[in-house]
Amino acid sequence: QKEVEQDPGPLSVPEGAIVSLNCTYSNSAFQYFMWYRQYSRKGPELLMYTYSSGNKEDGRFTAQVDKSSKYISLFIRDSQPSDSATYLCAMCAGNNRKLIWGLGTSLAVNP
Amino acid sequence: ETGVTQTPRHLVMGMTNKKSLKCEQHLGHNAMYWYKQSAKKPLELMFVYNFKEQTENNSVPSRFSPECPNSSHLFLHLHTLQPEDSALYLCASSQDKANTEAFFGQGTRLTVV
Repeated sequence: QKEVEQDPGPLSVPEGAIVSLNCTYSNSAFQYFMWYRQYSRKGPELLMYTYSSGNKEDGRFTAQVDKSSKYISLFIRDSQPSDSATYLCAMCAGNNRKLIWGLGTSLAVNP
Repeated sequence: ETGVTQTPRHLVMGMTNKKSLKCEQHLGHNAMYWYKQSAKKPLELMFVYNFKEQTENNSVPSRFSPECPNSSHLFLHLHTLQPEDSALYLCASSQDKANTEAFFGQGTRLTVV
């Protein structure tokens, strides 16, 4: 079993839709959870950073962590064509900050 | 110029060639990383440098040789590569190794022919 599972998609939604992106993980020691966005021909950029469980909101983006289910989500409200990118989850434990990455989910928001 | 800059953006090399990838960060960070990104695979951490010292080498073949002359610059020297080494090579930096908020460069798209 992979440490981090992420459906690569592709996911295609109409403009304005609510998008839900998810990752599951197996290591209960993970405490730091990140979402990166990667546009085509660019490097990943940090989008959201969450420590432990709970929600974090930043504009149209909400990150959720459910440690009991070992499940993290990224929600995008009122999605825009400019949100079209690959979204990668990454996580690590507190005592070992080596990031473990998901495969990334390819998202297309259609005008 | 700000952020993390990688050169070249694209590189095509033969299996007998020697080439180098360059990374420069203008963020004042102390940790720098090389990652390999291949299709249908998660990002693979290759090397970690913290305050110019190599702290991790994740079983990377010796045909990849990193060099970190100072905290702002990182090189990846390539020689006798294989076609399966074709990938996007990403450089990243963070405040230090304990800080997980990494900032990435745009990557070098490497093709080995």
